[in-house]
This record gives sequence, C-alpha cells and structure tokens, in this order.
Amino acid sequence: DAKTTQPPSMDCAEGRAANLPCNHSTISGNEYVYWYRQIHSQGPQYIIHGLKNNETNEMASLIITEDRKSSTLILPHATLRDTAVYYCIVRTPSGSARQLTFGSGTQLTVLP
Amino acid sequence: DAGVTQSPTHLIKTRGQQVTLRCSPKSGHDTVSWYQQALGQGPQFIFQYYEEEERQRGNFPDRFSGHQFPNYSSELNVNALLLGDSALYLCASSLGVVNGNTIYFGEGSWLTVV
Repeated sequence: DAKTTQPPSMDCAEGRAANLPCNHSTISGNEYVYWYRQIHSQGPQYIIHGLKNNETNEMASLIITEDRKSSTLILPHATLRDTAVYYCIVRTPSGSARQLTFGSGTQLTVLP
Repeated sequence: DAGVTQSPTHLIKTRGQQVTLRCSPKSGHDTVSWYQQALGQGPQFIFQYYEEEERQRGNFPDRFSGHQFPNYSSELNVNALLLGDSALYLCASSLGVVNGNTIYFGEGSWLTVV
C-alpha cells in the first residue's frame, strides 16, 4: 500500500484558506487520493477524492501534482468548525481490497 | 437519505464478556466495513463484508467476527473481551467493490471494557 506523510499539526486563522499538504511518493497509477476529517469523538467525514486531476466540491479543493507524488487539500475560508484531524489516504488498488489505511493525520486548529 | 447508523452509541462491558455492535449502511450501499479506533490513533481496518461474505480482513484475532444480513446491515461481534478492546468502533459503507467508490462512516460505538 502506498503510504502518506502529513505534518502532525497546523494552525490557520479563521476566514483564511487552510492548505493541508500530503506526500504520497509511492502512489501507483490506479490509486486514488482521498481526504477525510474527524472532529473529536465523531466518525470520519468524507471530504473529497481524486485520481490525477484537480477536484473541487462544496467543502474543499484537491490539488494533485502532475507526478501524483503529493497533493494539497484546500479549505478556502476556514471556520472554527473546521478544527479537526485531517487524513490523507491512498486507496489500495485491488478491486476487492477496499479498506482505508489511516495514518496519523494532521490536526488542524482554526484560530479566531 | 439516511447515512450510516450504528448502535449502541456507548456501552460498558466486563473483561471476558462478549459484545455485539450493529450497523445499517447508507441507503443504496451494499458493502460494510468495520474499523477500530483506539484513543489518539487513526482507525484500523477490521474486516469488510460484501454479499454476506467476509471479503477481506485486517490484523485482528479470531475473537473479532462479523455477519452481514440480506438487507446489507451488519454486526460486529467481539468475544472474550480484553481491556485493550476499549475503543471507538466505526462502521463504514460503500457501493460494490469497485475501486474509487466513496466510503462513508457512521458516528461509531464507544466500547469501554472494565
């Protein structure tokens, strides 16, 4: 399984964009990059995913480098409710192996 | 559109006892996975059920078993509970086994073993 590397913690001012980096240098060609977040004591919440193109939805944008070795999750206008642990996950390639392998994630703290 | 629902939300058990946790997948989903999340750590994959069969299993002992019913709901059973089994147990659902389909999580069941 491709592994990911994320900074353990980041701070962001409320109203500013939060840019969360993720390194996945061993990613293979058919693996997707997924982002989840987990607010304290709740289940992980799906944010966004992509294969090789940049993606945007109502929650965030995902920028994947051309070589696919790294990506950045962008929360355009962070609010206090975005304080959470953010997980960058690379999906295993086999069609029957659909588990998510969670790392340590990044603790994002949005400051007022 | 109901999301993934789990029950109970909290429970306390004694060492050596057995516990059953329940999960209803998101509407339209047919695949259920279970994860264990110890305090301060990321979720760890236990196993996945599709078409009422266990399709893949993580590094968990046989004390952890499961079942999927024809309506796609699922149960996680843990026998001979240990103190170290205290954790948040998460159920996740998805559609089919095609790579790329999004996985959604429930809010979890908090298990405390005393």
